[in-house]
Amino acid sequence: DQQVKQNSPSLSVQEGRISILNCDYTNSMFDYFLWYKKYPAEGPTFLISISSIKDKNEDGRFTVFLNKSAKHLSLHIVPSQPGDSAVYFCAANSGNTPLVFGKGTRLSVIA
Amino acid sequence: NAGVTQTPKFRILKIGQSMTLQCTQDMNHNYMYWYRQDPGMGLKLIYYSVGAGITDKGEVPNGYNVSRSTTEDFPLRLELAAPSQTSVYFCASSYTHGTGEGYGYTFGSGTRLTVV
Repeated sequence: DQQVKQNSPSLSVQEGRISILNCDYTNSMFDYFLWYKKYPAEGPTFLISISSIKDKNEDGRFTVFLNKSAKHLSLHIVPSQPGDSAVYFCAANSGNTPLVFGKGTRLSVIA
Repeated sequence: NAGVTQTPKFRILKIGQSMTLQCTQDMNHNYMYWYRQDPGMGLKLIYYSVGAGITDKGEVPNGYNVSRSTTEDFPLRLELAAPSQTSVYFCASSYTHGTGEGYGYTFGSGTRLTVV
């Protein structure tokens, strides 16, 4: 039973446009949400996070939006750059439990 | 600052063989984790540890064993390797499970294991 779902395996976006990656979750106890970025042959690296008391968090070109009522979060990348091409994982946890990861979305930014 | 170091980077095992995947971190993190990534399947938790001498099972622990004798090291042992254990294994560490906004787990670069 997947608690964190990323329903789009891949996404292609033109350089300079907005990339929107989506994530849904089923566990209403989750209170902390993260996005990780992964390049081939490397480990995932932390990108941005948001706690359940907020609905938006920004860090430069990256913004995460959280809709608790819909159990949905999204990552916006503006403007998208070729170096953003990677696999993006959504992750979540509640209290003192390990992170649960989604299956990932492969983003390709086309120059 | 090395962060999380995993060895080896690649390994081919025959069915029934055993091996230990090594993981060490130099950030004095108490929490350490082993995840496996299968193609298109995301990261699944195998085992985790909240401190030296304490380990607990994750989602997919069967066929694996761990130990945590020091804060720095968290080796993963595969006994009687099976083709289903072909995967990429990632070790990670953190100050806590819920690390607070702005932080996350630090991952190693992974071990790609093939069982034939």
